[in-house]
Amino acid sequence: QKEVEQNSGPLSVPEGAIASLNCTYSDRGSQSFFWYRQYSGKSPELIMSIYSNGDKEDGRFTAQLNKASQYVSLLIRDSQPSDSATYLCAVSGGGSSNTGKLIFGQGTTLQVKP
Amino acid sequence: GAGVSQSPSNKVTEKGKDVELRCDPISGHTALYWYRQSLGQGLEFLIYFQGNSAPDKSGLPSDRFSAERTGGSVSTLTIQRTQQEDSAVYLCASSLGGWGQGSPLHFGNGTRLTVT
Repeated sequence: QKEVEQNSGPLSVPEGAIASLNCTYSDRGSQSFFWYRQYSGKSPELIMSIYSNGDKEDGRFTAQLNKASQYVSLLIRDSQPSDSATYLCAVSGGGSSNTGKLIFGQGTTLQVKP
Repeated sequence: GAGVSQSPSNKVTEKGKDVELRCDPISGHTALYWYRQSLGQGLEFLIYFQGNSAPDKSGLPSDRFSAERTGGSVSTLTIQRTQQEDSAVYLCASSLGGWGQGSPLHFGNGTRLTVT
């Protein structure tokens, strides 16, 4: 089992729709969760961080965390073509060795069609 | 500078040659990371420096890879006797605190390494 799993996609949504990106993780001791956006040929950029159960909203983005289910998601409301990118889920390691190592998923490619 | 700076931006080298990749983190950031991203793949952790602590080298794929961080600032990743499978984008990132503190990473623009 991969430590951080994402569906590689592509996820295709029409402009104006809600895009839902999902991520599961294996280390129950994980404490910090991040979503990065990576445009083709560019470096990842942080768009959301979440540390406690529940929802966190920032503009059109909402991150949702459920530690019991080891699940974190990102919702993008009113999707725009400019949101087309690969979205990387990143989780800080926990566990007995707990270096806090940040592990990335493989990323989900989102395509927003005009 | 305002962000993480990496050099060179592109490097083409012949198989068997050594290469050095440089990273200059954001001023004041204590933690520095190297990741590797092959075409169409996710980020593969290589090495992590935090302050004066011993680095976490657990992601280095072979003993041909090494990294150092001088004076708690600039870092150099060295790949000896390069192989074609080393071709990738090498990304450096820094953060204000270490992993355990939940600090987000800020990435540089990467070095695209091509081994011919």
